[in-house]
Amino acid sequence: DAKTTQPTSMDCAEGRAANLPCNHSTISGNEYVYWYRQIHSQGPQYIIHGLKNNETNEMASLIITEDRKSSTLILPHATLRDTAVYYCIVRGYNFNKFYFGSGTKLNVKP
Amino acid sequence: EAQVTQNPRYLITVTGKKLTVTCSQNMNHEYMSWYRQDPGLGLRQIYYSMNVEVTDKGDVPEGYKVSRKEKRNFPLILESPSPNQTSLYFCASSFVVGSANEKLFFGSGTQLSVL
Repeated sequence: DAKTTQPTSMDCAEGRAANLPCNHSTISGNEYVYWYRQIHSQGPQYIIHGLKNNETNEMASLIITEDRKSSTLILPHATLRDTAVYYCIVRGYNFNKFYFGSGTKLNVKP
Repeated sequence: EAQVTQNPRYLITVTGKKLTVTCSQNMNHEYMSWYRQDPGLGLRQIYYSMNVEVTDKGDVPEGYKVSRKEKRNFPLILESPSPNQTSLYFCASSFVVGSANEKLFFGSGTQLSVL
């Protein structure tokens, strides 16, 4: 499965949109992009995933570039409770393995 | 409520004393997996199972055993724990049918300390 590259940390003001980028330049056609987050030492929580099209759910939006080499997770109105580590993952033919990497530490500030 | 349940939440033990961390899911998932999380190393897969009686090694299987006798349960066994197995452990599960299009559900974690 393709690996991902994310910034180590980002800051966001409370109430503003948080845009978290992810690079997955070696992604192949059948690989999905997943986003998870981990608050403190809790179990990772699923946020959203997509293959080619942009996706939106009650938590976030996922924007995937046309060439699928990068994506952005958007939290439209960040709150203090969104402070967490966000992981961008690709999952494909070798779907039994999830490679989490180090993620992005999002700090939402008042 | 759909969930993955791990027990115990915290465990302190001594070197060499066999222990088992239990994992159970109530979503009828075929796929289950164990991860360990260490500072600076992210989550690393220990073992996974595609279905009952089908298990395989992940990236860091040394020192661990698993079994999958029932679909809902996937215990992690440390036959002779050592201090380097001190870590935060997570169990996860998902359906297999949609393969890569199936999201993974995680348990709340087990913090293990081996003295």
